[in-house]
Amino acid sequence: GQQVMQIPQYQHVQEGEDFTTYCNSSTTLSNIQWYKQRPGGHPVFLIQLVKSGEVKKQKRLTFQFGEAKKNSSLHITATQTTDVGTYFCATPQGGSEKLVFGKGTKLTVNP
Amino acid sequence: NAGVMQNPRHLVRRRGQEARLRCSPMKGHSHVYWYRQLPEEGLKFMVYLQKENIIDESGMPKERFSAEFPKEGPSILRIQQVVRGDSAAYFCASSPPGIRHSYNEQFFGPGTRLTVL
Repeated sequence: GQQVMQIPQYQHVQEGEDFTTYCNSSTTLSNIQWYKQRPGGHPVFLIQLVKSGEVKKQKRLTFQFGEAKKNSSLHITATQTTDVGTYFCATPQGGSEKLVFGKGTKLTVNP
Repeated sequence: NAGVMQNPRHLVRRRGQEARLRCSPMKGHSHVYWYRQLPEEGLKFMVYLQKENIIDESGMPKERFSAEFPKEGPSILRIQQVVRGDSAAYFCASSPPGIRHSYNEQFFGPGTRLTVL
């Protein structure tokens, strides 16, 4: 079935540094979704990318979808302590409803 | 508009007991999904339901696990004869009806943390 590999698994940064997490697939993805889960919390939807080469921005967050629709990235500029959490990419499996999640990148930010 | 509601938030069971997890989707949402998350792991799909129908249960173990979404009331995930390996966070998500369902974001509930002693 559809799999998405997410790297790195952990990332520790100093506040103010940038952060990037990557999501890769060996097959073409219909769309990619990004979720954030705070420690002890639940996944919260951030964005959905559908088009090849799409770039979307939310304040300090920049999301990209590769030209071949096989990879995606989330970049945070000038991290803050409120960015702490695990960031997951997810994609629908085949043409079905279920989401396949990457294993996530756990971000910690040192103040 | 209330979000997805799940209860209980924490559930402790002894081996062999039954666990019942409840999920009320967001108002207007007719699609419910259950996911399981082990510590430090991603979310694993279990089952997708619409009212009175199980659409996809390919991620749910064949034994001891069952799910329903009745016409009235919340969706229920039921685990019979729980074992220690069932300890996990169980998240419910919902999405609105639409033509291309796979393009809908899913709204997650706060989860039920199940601990099996």
